[in-house]
Amino acid sequence: IVVTQSPGTLSLSPGERVTLSCRASESVSSNLAWYQQKPGQAPRLLIYGASYRATGIPDRFGGSGSGTDFTLTISRLEPEDFAVYYCQQYDISPLTFGGGTKVEI
Amino acid sequence: EVRLLESGGGLVQPGGSLRLSCAASGFTFSKYAMSWVRQAPGKGLEWVSSISDTGLRASYADSLKGRFTISRDNSKNTLYLQVIGLRGDHTAVYFCAKMSRGSNTSPFDSWGQGTLVTVSS
Repeated sequence: IVVTQSPGTLSLSPGERVTLSCRASESVSSNLAWYQQKPGQAPRLLIYGASYRATGIPDRFGGSGSGTDFTLTISRLEPEDFAVYYCQQYDISPLTFGGGTKVEI
Repeated sequence: EVRLLESGGGLVQPGGSLRLSCAASGFTFSKYAMSWVRQAPGKGLEWVSSISDTGLRASYADSLKGRFTISRDNSKNTLYLQVIGLRGDHTAVYFCAKMSRGSNTSPFDSWGQGTLVTVSS
């Protein structure tokens, strides 16, 4: 399953609302996760099951979608949210990641 | 607190081999599937391999089959990745990741800091 993210880069300001898109080449049901990665750090799980926040994730992060089309929304960008975001399907092996969306200032 | 500590990376000559290790603590290791995910310099994340909680079921990225072997020792709370026939395009940071369930198809809910493998002469 090919996972495609768009856009590749977003240039935004703190306080703005952001919507990231992720599309799977075939249905993955709700078996879709989102990760955040900052430079020099390991990725961190944000969302699993397409819409469930992982432990400790602020409620400004929200996920939606099912089947082939998914969205990660950050309601109000904080300075620490500038990072690269990856979606990943875990419905079927091989597990696949999207190419990432960089959210920059 | 979940802790995953990778080791075994470094500079390796083309054609060489190595074994990466991931020491786990802070959770019941034998109850969760585990994985390796890699990231080439400046690139995105690429899933490498996963192994079920019991170690009986392993899965690999198609392009890596035959060169990479994942294993685990539940008595030592340690995950391994044996790699042979290394090439330049294997250069990457290799992350150890805990999966949220015992099966190979579940999200990665905890990650180590990674170990850098550089393949160069």
